[in-house]
Amino acid sequence: GAVVSQHPSWVICKSGTSVKIECRSLDFQATTMFWYRQFPKQSLMLMATSNEGSKATYEQGVEKDKFLINHASLTLSTLTVTSAHPEDSSFYICSARRQGRDTEAFFGQGTRLTVV
Amino acid sequence: GQNIDQPTEMTATEGAIVQINCTYQTSGFNGLFWYQQHAGEAPTFLSYNVLDGLEEKGRFSSFLSRSKGYSYLLLKELQMKDSASYLCAVLDSNYQLIWGAGTKLIIKP
Repeated sequence: GAVVSQHPSWVICKSGTSVKIECRSLDFQATTMFWYRQFPKQSLMLMATSNEGSKATYEQGVEKDKFLINHASLTLSTLTVTSAHPEDSSFYICSARRQGRDTEAFFGQGTRLTVV
Repeated sequence: GQNIDQPTEMTATEGAIVQINCTYQTSGFNGLFWYQQHAGEAPTFLSYNVLDGLEEKGRFSSFLSRSKGYSYLLLKELQMKDSASYLCAVLDSNYQLIWGAGTKLIIKP
């Protein structure tokens, strides 16, 4: 199967700082990448859909100025959590789908963010 | 609205068989996925159904009935490592994935 690499796997940062999370499709081109947040014992919550070369589409309730998404190439999307606060502590997961709309989503390993 | 229902939690015995059900109501249908997610890890793909019927893959099988808006994941010869959450997800008419809340499966010796 296709491989999606997400980095870092875990990060601890101070309140008020920014954190960047990278998501790379290693062996395929992903025109669309998705960013999810998952709180303990809850399901995946879609935050935004990232299309290469265009602005991301954010879900209702997700602050686009706080969660900056950049999809600069067909293999890389980044999520930057700006001015992080303790309530932003969560498990962030990216997924990518190959060209062809009815394909499975391949997930990155996830990033455990803890804001102290 | 769009809705996917699956049981919150199930318990089964090692070596037994368990069936996890998923019902859905979505705007359009372009396929249904099952994913396995161990605690603290990202989901991993198990199966994809777009036509009615049963798809078998080793110890895991997945069934789909589009007319009933229903799918199930069947796990045979359960092993302790199968303890995980199982997520049902549907591709809607816009080819967006709609996720269920997941079923936590607990395997007892």
